[in-house]
Amino acid sequence: KNQVEQSPQSLIILEGKNCTLQCNYTVSPFSNLRWYKQDTGRGPVSLTIMTFSENTKSNGRYTATLDADTKQSSLHITASQLSDSASYICVVRAFSGGYNKLIFGAGTRLAVHP
Amino acid sequence: DSGVTQTPKHLITATGQRVTLRCSPRSGDLSVYWYQQSLDQGLQFLIQYYNGEERAKGNILERFSAQQFPDLHSELNLSSLELGDSALYFCASSGISRGRTETQYFGPGTRLLVL
Repeated sequence: KNQVEQSPQSLIILEGKNCTLQCNYTVSPFSNLRWYKQDTGRGPVSLTIMTFSENTKSNGRYTATLDADTKQSSLHITASQLSDSASYICVVRAFSGGYNKLIFGAGTRLAVHP
Repeated sequence: DSGVTQTPKHLITATGQRVTLRCSPRSGDLSVYWYQQSLDQGLQFLIQYYNGEERAKGNILERFSAQQFPDLHSELNLSSLELGDSALYFCASSGISRGRTETQYFGPGTRLLVL
């Protein structure tokens, strides 16, 4: 079972609409949670990083929330644009076996249509 | 442009062969990470180096190895290649920041095709 699970797997929305992507994790102990945007065939780009003490963080039209008690995070995209079409990846940082590790979710593939 | 460079951009080789992928981190970044992304799959963390020393290991096969040189560039060596090794290989770098919230900056990736 993946320690970081994202839903939905894929999503199609119309330009201008809002959407919310979900990330549930079982990783423990938890250090921080990141959201990345990855355009097809390109490297991921960081959107937000939140520690366990942060509940929400915004980056332009992207707003991430975190509930460390329920181990859930969401990424809300407001007023979507065609350029938002990409995969959105949730990444949890944990300390395990003497190492800090980054555990990646499989991503949500978002398509924004005109 | 993230400031992380990777070469080559594309690589086509045959099964059983050995290849070396190269990564130059952002200026001043001490940490280098390697990731593998197979078609339509999520990113898989392979290995991390910090200032020349191995810092963390993920799902890296024994046929794969990496190193970070004194000038901080890194190489990922893939040997006895199999068809399933065809993937995008990303390198990322990060520096030192407050707490543990350092951002990783990803390179453009090397697309490896094993025939």
